[in-house]
Amino acid sequence: DAKTTQPNSMESNEEEPVHLPCNHSTISGTDYIHWYRQLPSQGPEYVIHGLTSNVNNRMASLAIAEDRKSSTLILHRATLRDAAVYYCILISNSNSGYALNFGKGTSLLVTP
Amino acid sequence: GAGVSQSPRYKVAKRGQDVALRCDPISGHVSLFWYQQALGQGPEFLTYFQNEAQLDKSGLPSDRFFAERPEGSVSTLKIQRTQQEDSAVYLCASSPPRVEQYFGPGTRLTVT
Repeated sequence: DAKTTQPNSMESNEEEPVHLPCNHSTISGTDYIHWYRQLPSQGPEYVIHGLTSNVNNRMASLAIAEDRKSSTLILHRATLRDAAVYYCILISNSNSGYALNFGKGTSLLVTP
Repeated sequence: GAGVSQSPRYKVAKRGQDVALRCDPISGHVSLFWYQQALGQGPEFLTYFQNEAQLDKSGLPSDRFFAERPEGSVSTLKIQRTQQEDSAVYLCASSPPRVEQYFGPGTRLTVT
């Protein structure tokens, strides 16, 4: 499976934008880039995914590099509720039913 | 509608006891996954069902772990002769085929 590399932790001030990076230099052409997050004491929740083009939804934006070897999850205005562990995950058609390989993720701290 | 539910939310077992963890997926979701999350780590894949068929059990750590989904809806993860290293949060997720997964809150298992 292609691997992802994320910083262990990041810190942001409330109401400021946050850019969470992910490196995936061995990504293959059919791998989708998915982001999930896990709030304290909860199960993970889906955030966003993309293949080649940048994506926006109500939660976040996903910026994908032209060579697809890296991507960035963008939270436009961080709130205290966004404090969570963010996981960048590559999914290919070979994953059993799209089973998720989480890794360690980035722990985001949001300060008031 | 209702999300994924898991029961019990907390379970304390003495070493050597058998435990059964239940997952009620979102109605109509074909795919069901079990993950194990050790303290401070990301979730790790255990097994995957498509309807009642267990298509992948490669992540089950030993033959003490057994999962079933006999009618293609509710699933049970059973751990026989529990050991201390089995202490973890067990997460269940469901999804339609090949789209984002919806996670339950997890069952925290403590083996004493």
